[in-house]
Amino acid sequence: GEDVEQSLFLSVREGDSSVINCTYTDSSSTYLYWYKQEPGAGLQLLTYIFSNMDMKQDQRLTVLLNKKDKHLSLRIADTQTGDSAIYFCAGWRGDMRFGAGTRLTVKP
Amino acid sequence: GAVVSQHPSWVICKSGTSVKIECRSLDFQATTMFWYRQFPKQSLMLMATSNEGSKATYEQGVEKDKFLINHASLTLSTLTVTSAHPEDSSFYICSARRPQGSGHYEQYFGPGTRLTVT
Repeated sequence: GEDVEQSLFLSVREGDSSVINCTYTDSSSTYLYWYKQEPGAGLQLLTYIFSNMDMKQDQRLTVLLNKKDKHLSLRIADTQTGDSAIYFCAGWRGDMRFGAGTRLTVKP
Repeated sequence: GAVVSQHPSWVICKSGTSVKIECRSLDFQATTMFWYRQFPKQSLMLMATSNEGSKATYEQGVEKDKFLINHASLTLSTLTVTSAHPEDSSFYICSARRPQGSGHYEQYFGPGTRLTVT
């Protein structure tokens, strides 16, 4: 089965907050990552969190980690149209294992 | 962040020919690089792990004789798709791993190469 699962689509209005959710099955991942992929491009590392942390904030991005439920989320504050992209969560255990990606659409 | 480049960014080739894709880490040395394949609207599928100076490690189901990987230097890994067929058409993305200390690595991705086999 999939190591990392994500919902496939999210649509928000410009200025709202976006919350992208991810669940993972392998608790041995030491780091969990969020990547952004714009159309026709590679992946851009947005942020990551160490598995012994609960929260990490980086400007408009907030990562929450619930180890008990194996749930990871990425919150984007004041979402802009330029944030429209596919967002992948990934776990690191020797190599990177990706979720299917969540396509975020930001409507003006 | 670190920079990883790929060349070419897109390529069209005929069935039966071979295509080489280059992946370079421009501002750091990468002992380990990864090759992924991405189908439209799908996630990245790890194809192989490329280690400098040694043979690549292929994921289950990936044909090592078809997808030849060479990691001859700390800044360059190449993927050669041999005897390409239309089903090999895909978006190929490479990634380079950079150690951050304390057993942590960050993985940086190239912009991808779109291969179309006619």
